[in-house]
Amino acid sequence: GQSLEQPSEVTAVEGAIVQINCTYQTSGFYGLSWYQQHDGGAPTFLSYNALDGLEETGRFSSFLSRSDSYGYLLLQELQMKDSASYFCAVHNTDKLIFGTGTRLQVFP
Amino acid sequence: GAGVSQSPRYKVTKRGQDVALRCDPISGHVSLYWYRQALGQGPEFLTYFNYEAQQDKSGLPNDRFSAERPEGSISTLTIQRTEQRDSAMYRCASSPSTATNEQFFGPGTRLTVL
Repeated sequence: GQSLEQPSEVTAVEGAIVQINCTYQTSGFYGLSWYQQHDGGAPTFLSYNALDGLEETGRFSSFLSRSDSYGYLLLQELQMKDSASYFCAVHNTDKLIFGTGTRLQVFP
Repeated sequence: GAGVSQSPRYKVTKRGQDVALRCDPISGHVSLYWYRQALGQGPEFLTYFNYEAQQDKSGLPNDRFSAERPEGSISTLTIQRTEQRDSAMYRCASSPSTATNEQFFGPGTRLTVL
């Protein structure tokens, strides 16, 4: 079977740092992506990791450990607009398999 | 430039009716994907195309679901003899190619089967 596990909800305050973890078990693996989705909106791409290590894009960073089947998304200097759902997604050949999502609530 | 567009944005139908959902990808994008997303869940892969060729339809739930992309641009997802369990948000995404990691999602079609 294929599964991706994420915490269902995370809360934090403005200016803080939050880490959203993702563990996966899939029959094929080519990389791990992260998507952000605001309520009522479409998923939008944040980052992609194919190799072990940390990828940094502005306030967001994403980490991958292929040997541990684990990755995380790190959000720094949180802003209210970061309140959204965050999905990890495994690239399995040419298709994406999404996790169940983590709802992030940022409080002032 | 224009993003991915989908129509209709909302569709209400009666059980047993057929529905056709349309996706217009970003111009020039080779790859087109269909997903279904239940409330509070991540998108669930249904099928995808490279140009007009359907490469993988392993996610289609059963033979009532079909998709086509005859000219390698616009795609239609058809659900025959709809059932209440088919109610969901249906999303389309496109990417310049399968070698591109990022997929660009459309606004979705909210399907409600009564």
